[in-house]
Amino acid sequence: GAVVSQHPSWVICKSGTSVKIECRSLDFQATTMFWYRQFPKQSLMLMATSNEGSKATYEQGVEKDKFLINHASLTLSTLTVTSAHPEDSSFYICSARPINGETQYFGPGTRLLVL
Amino acid sequence: LAKTTQPISMDSYEGQEVNITCSHNNIATNDYITWYQQFPSQGPRFIIQGYKTKVTNEVASLFIPADRKSSTLSLPRVSLSDTAVYYCLVGASGNTGKLIFGQGTTLQVKP
Repeated sequence: GAVVSQHPSWVICKSGTSVKIECRSLDFQATTMFWYRQFPKQSLMLMATSNEGSKATYEQGVEKDKFLINHASLTLSTLTVTSAHPEDSSFYICSARPINGETQYFGPGTRLLVL
Repeated sequence: LAKTTQPISMDSYEGQEVNITCSHNNIATNDYITWYQQFPSQGPRFIIQGYKTKVTNEVASLFIPADRKSSTLSLPRVSLSDTAVYYCLVGASGNTGKLIFGQGTTLQVKP
Protein backbone atom coordinates (compact mmCIF):
# COMPACT_ATOMS: atom_id res chain seq x y z
CA GLY A 1 0.00 0.00 0.00
CA ALA A 2 0.86 3.73 -0.10
CA VAL A 3 2.38 3.77 -3.57
CA VAL A 4 3.17 6.99 -5.39
CA SER A 5 4.12 7.03 -9.05
CA GLN A 6 5.68 9.67 -11.25
CA HIS A 7 5.65 10.05 -14.98
CA PRO A 8 7.89 10.34 -16.84
CA SER A 9 10.82 8.83 -14.97
CA TRP A 10 13.22 10.85 -17.09
CA VAL A 11 12.90 13.51 -19.75
CA ILE A 12 15.26 15.41 -22.02
CA CYS A 13 14.07 18.64 -23.56
CA LYS A 14 15.38 21.65 -25.41
CA SER A 15 15.85 24.97 -23.72
CA GLY A 16 12.72 27.11 -23.90
CA THR A 17 10.23 24.26 -23.97
CA SER A 18 7.83 23.24 -21.20
CA VAL A 19 7.77 19.91 -19.44
CA LYS A 20 4.94 18.39 -17.43
CA ILE A 21 5.56 15.86 -14.66
CA GLU A 22 2.72 13.84 -13.17
CA CYS A 23 2.49 12.56 -9.61
CA ARG A 24 -0.15 9.98 -8.75
CA SER A 25 -1.12 8.29 -5.51
CA LEU A 26 -2.09 4.82 -6.70
CA ASP A 27 -3.84 3.28 -3.71
CA PHE A 28 -4.87 6.17 -1.54
CA GLN A 29 -6.34 9.64 -1.78
CA ALA A 30 -4.30 12.68 -0.93
CA THR A 31 -5.57 16.18 -0.38
CA THR A 32 -1.98 17.34 -0.04
CA MET A 33 0.96 16.59 -2.26
CA PHE A 34 4.43 18.08 -2.19
CA TRP A 35 7.04 18.79 -4.83
CA TYR A 36 10.77 18.67 -4.16
CA ARG A 37 13.89 19.22 -6.20
CA GLN A 38 17.22 17.55 -5.58
CA PHE A 39 20.56 18.44 -7.11
CA PRO A 40 23.47 15.96 -7.16
CA LYS A 41 24.99 15.23 -3.76
CA GLN A 42 22.44 17.51 -2.08
CA SER A 43 19.37 17.00 0.03
CA LEU A 44 15.79 17.42 -1.10
CA MET A 45 14.53 20.97 -1.30
CA LEU A 46 10.82 21.59 -0.86
CA MET A 47 9.45 23.63 -3.75
CA ALA A 48 5.75 23.80 -3.08
CA THR A 49 2.74 22.31 -1.34
CA SER A 50 -0.05 21.25 -3.65
CA ASN A 51 -3.59 21.24 -2.27
CA GLU A 52 -6.46 19.58 -4.10
CA GLY A 53 -8.84 22.13 -5.50
CA SER A 54 -6.85 25.17 -4.49
CA LYS A 55 -3.73 27.09 -5.39
CA ALA A 56 -0.35 25.70 -4.51
CA THR A 57 1.77 27.26 -1.79
CA TYR A 58 5.31 27.95 -2.94
CA GLU A 59 8.42 28.09 -0.80
CA GLN A 60 10.42 31.27 -0.70
CA GLY A 61 12.58 31.68 -3.78
CA VAL A 62 10.56 29.34 -5.99
CA GLU A 63 9.04 31.08 -9.00
CA LYS A 64 5.36 30.22 -9.18
CA ASP A 65 5.10 31.33 -12.80
CA LYS A 66 7.91 29.03 -13.80
CA PHE A 67 6.84 25.98 -11.84
CA LEU A 68 3.11 25.59 -12.40
CA ILE A 69 1.35 23.17 -10.11
CA ASN A 70 -2.12 21.74 -10.62
CA HIS A 71 -3.84 19.39 -8.18
CA ALA A 72 -7.08 18.61 -9.95
CA SER A 73 -8.03 15.42 -8.13
CA LEU A 74 -7.31 13.54 -4.92
CA THR A 75 -4.87 11.27 -6.73
CA LEU A 76 -3.09 13.50 -9.21
CA SER A 77 -0.84 16.53 -9.04
CA THR A 78 1.17 17.90 -11.94
CA LEU A 79 4.25 20.09 -12.06
CA THR A 80 4.95 21.98 -15.27
CA VAL A 81 8.37 23.50 -15.76
CA THR A 82 7.76 26.35 -18.17
CA SER A 83 10.39 27.73 -20.52
CA ALA A 84 12.94 25.31 -19.16
CA HIS A 85 16.60 26.27 -19.05
CA PRO A 86 19.69 24.16 -18.38
CA GLU A 87 19.78 25.33 -14.76
CA ASP A 88 16.37 23.68 -14.26
CA SER A 89 18.00 20.30 -14.87
CA SER A 90 17.48 18.36 -11.69
CA PHE A 91 15.78 15.42 -10.01
CA TYR A 92 12.16 16.26 -9.22
CA ILE A 93 10.40 14.23 -6.54
CA CYS A 94 6.81 14.38 -5.38
CA SER A 95 5.23 13.06 -2.21
CA ALA A 96 1.66 12.53 -1.10
CA ARG A 97 0.06 12.39 2.30
CA PRO A 98 -3.07 10.27 2.75
CA ILE A 99 -6.20 11.98 3.99
CA ASN A 100 -6.08 12.00 7.81
CA GLY A 101 -2.62 10.45 7.64
CA GLU A 102 0.64 11.60 9.17
CA THR A 103 3.11 10.05 6.75
CA GLN A 104 4.34 11.34 3.41
CA TYR A 105 5.03 8.75 0.74
CA PHE A 106 7.42 9.63 -2.03
CA GLY A 107 7.42 8.95 -5.72
CA PRO A 108 10.43 7.48 -7.54
CA GLY A 109 11.46 10.84 -8.97
CA THR A 110 11.78 12.35 -12.44
CA ARG A 111 15.14 13.20 -13.92
CA LEU A 112 14.96 16.33 -16.07
CA LEU A 113 17.77 17.30 -18.43
CA VAL A 114 17.44 20.56 -20.32
CA LEU A 115 19.79 20.96 -23.26
CA LEU B 1 9.40 23.76 11.62
CA ALA B 2 11.77 21.90 13.89
CA LYS B 3 15.35 21.70 12.66
CA THR B 4 17.11 18.36 12.84
CA THR B 5 20.79 17.55 13.29
CA GLN B 6 22.31 14.19 12.46
CA PRO B 7 25.83 12.93 11.72
CA ILE B 8 26.91 13.53 8.16
CA SER B 9 28.27 10.05 7.69
CA MET B 10 28.68 6.70 9.41
CA ASP B 11 30.53 3.51 8.56
CA SER B 12 29.54 0.01 9.59
CA TYR B 13 30.19 -3.60 8.70
CA GLU B 14 27.79 -6.25 7.53
CA GLY B 15 25.91 -7.94 10.32
CA GLN B 16 26.36 -5.12 12.81
CA GLU B 17 23.62 -3.08 14.43
CA VAL B 18 23.64 0.56 13.40
CA ASN B 19 22.21 3.37 15.50
CA ILE B 20 21.75 6.83 13.99
CA THR B 21 20.82 9.58 16.40
CA CYS B 22 19.02 12.74 15.41
CA SER B 23 18.55 15.80 17.57
CA HIS B 24 15.48 18.02 17.29
CA ASN B 25 15.59 20.33 20.26
CA ASN B 26 12.68 22.54 19.23
CA ILE B 27 10.22 19.82 18.37
CA ALA B 28 6.61 20.93 18.80
CA THR B 29 3.96 19.12 20.76
CA ASN B 30 2.12 17.81 17.71
CA ASP B 31 5.20 16.88 15.65
CA TYR B 32 5.84 13.32 14.57
CA ILE B 33 9.34 11.97 13.90
CA THR B 34 9.84 10.17 10.61
CA TRP B 35 12.85 8.44 9.09
CA TYR B 36 13.41 7.87 5.40
CA GLN B 37 16.01 5.99 3.39
CA GLN B 38 17.19 7.19 0.01
CA PHE B 39 19.26 5.42 -2.61
CA PRO B 40 20.88 7.36 -5.48
CA SER B 41 18.42 8.48 -8.16
CA GLN B 42 15.41 7.22 -6.19
CA GLY B 43 12.77 8.88 -4.09
CA PRO B 44 12.99 8.56 -0.30
CA ARG B 45 11.51 5.38 1.13
CA PHE B 46 9.57 5.48 4.39
CA ILE B 47 11.25 3.49 7.15
CA ILE B 48 9.51 4.26 10.41
CA GLN B 49 7.54 6.92 12.23
CA GLY B 50 6.88 7.61 15.88
CA TYR B 51 5.64 10.13 18.38
CA LYS B 52 7.09 8.91 21.67
CA THR B 53 8.70 5.89 23.38
CA LYS B 54 9.63 3.03 21.09
CA VAL B 55 8.33 1.93 17.74
CA THR B 56 9.39 -1.24 15.96
CA ASN B 57 8.56 -2.63 12.55
CA GLU B 58 9.99 -5.31 10.31
CA VAL B 59 13.01 -3.25 9.25
CA ALA B 60 13.93 -0.92 12.12
CA SER B 61 13.29 0.40 15.58
CA LEU B 62 12.85 3.98 16.64
CA PHE B 63 13.68 5.09 20.14
CA ILE B 64 12.33 8.40 21.40
CA PRO B 65 13.14 9.62 24.93
CA ALA B 66 10.53 11.25 27.10
CA ASP B 67 11.60 14.81 26.26
CA ARG B 68 11.41 13.98 22.50
CA LYS B 69 14.37 16.24 21.78
CA SER B 70 16.19 13.44 20.02
CA SER B 71 15.49 10.10 18.40
CA THR B 72 17.55 7.08 17.43
CA LEU B 73 17.00 4.90 14.41
CA SER B 74 18.25 1.37 14.97
CA LEU B 75 18.96 -0.93 12.04
CA PRO B 76 19.61 -4.51 13.13
CA ARG B 77 22.22 -6.58 11.30
CA VAL B 78 22.86 -4.30 8.34
CA SER B 79 23.82 -5.60 4.93
CA LEU B 80 25.58 -4.00 1.99
CA SER B 81 22.20 -3.06 0.53
CA ASP B 82 21.56 -0.79 3.51
CA THR B 83 24.20 1.62 2.20
CA ALA B 84 22.13 4.77 1.63
CA VAL B 85 21.33 8.22 2.96
CA TYR B 86 19.06 8.28 5.99
CA TYR B 87 16.96 11.32 6.77
CA CYS B 88 15.37 12.23 10.07
CA LEU B 89 12.42 14.58 9.72
CA VAL B 90 10.09 16.28 12.13
CA GLY B 91 6.77 17.42 10.79
CA ALA B 92 3.52 18.72 12.16
CA SER B 93 0.37 16.69 11.98
CA GLY B 94 -2.53 18.42 10.31
CA ASN B 95 -1.84 21.91 9.03
CA THR B 96 0.48 21.79 6.05
CA GLY B 97 2.44 18.73 7.13
CA LYS B 98 5.53 20.18 5.49
CA LEU B 99 8.78 18.30 5.85
CA ILE B 100 12.06 20.15 5.56
CA PHE B 101 14.97 17.86 4.75
CA GLY B 102 18.32 18.29 6.42
CA GLN B 103 21.56 16.90 5.09
CA GLY B 104 20.88 13.34 6.19
CA THR B 105 23.34 10.66 7.27
CA THR B 106 25.24 8.73 4.63
CA LEU B 107 25.64 5.19 5.91
CA GLN B 108 28.35 3.10 4.28
CA VAL B 109 28.16 -0.61 5.03
CA LYS B 110 31.39 -2.48 4.36
CA PRO B 111 31.84 -6.21 3.80
